[in-house]
Amino acid sequence: DQQVKQNSPSLSVQEGRISILNCDYTNSMFDYFLWYKKYPAEGPTFLISISSIKDKNEDGRFTVFLNKSAKHLSLHIVPSQPGDSAVYFCAASSNTGNQFYFGTGTSLTVIP
Amino acid sequence: EPEVTQTPSHQVTQMGQEVILRCVPISNHLYFYWYRQILGQKVEFLVSFYNNEISEKSEIFDDQFSVERPDGSNFTLKIRSTKLEDSAMYFCASSGNFFQETQYFGPGTRLLVL
Repeated sequence: DQQVKQNSPSLSVQEGRISILNCDYTNSMFDYFLWYKKYPAEGPTFLISISSIKDKNEDGRFTVFLNKSAKHLSLHIVPSQPGDSAVYFCAASSNTGNQFYFGTGTSLTVIP
Repeated sequence: EPEVTQTPSHQVTQMGQEVILRCVPISNHLYFYWYRQILGQKVEFLVSFYNNEISEKSEIFDDQFSVERPDGSNFTLKIRSTKLEDSAMYFCASSGNFFQETQYFGPGTRLLVL
């Protein structure tokens, strides 16, 4: 049961341009969302989060947008840098449970 | 900066053997988790642990799995009789005061069951 979906397994972007990573979810009870970044042979690293009471959260070059009616969130990275090349996971949880549900990840490559 | 650590980084075992994966969560965190990622697949939740007991577990976390906090610092995942399909990367995570707080992940243990 894939409650969190990232439909693009990979994305390539030129350095300096915007990277947009997308995530869809099916469970309307989800109210907290996170993006994690993962380098090979390392654990996921927290990047940015958003709760369902907001539709946008910004932290430096990273902005997460939440569209609750569409059950969709996106991560924008501007400007993209080669060091951003990694796999990005979105994750979601509801306040009735203790677990996060992860998407399958999108592998971002930023081309110098 | 505090971090979650995991040992060993790699473990190779024979099918049917018991393995114990170890984690040291961030010291003032109260919630602990195990996740796994089979190669090429998504990160899957296994179990969450709070106040010395399991607070939630997934369907994957069957009777072959157990978790323990044997002392004030370690958090372990035991697989009693490993199967080939248990081969995966196992991640430990911890969070602070409530479960929806950001979870900080360890570097993972790569388990290979032969």
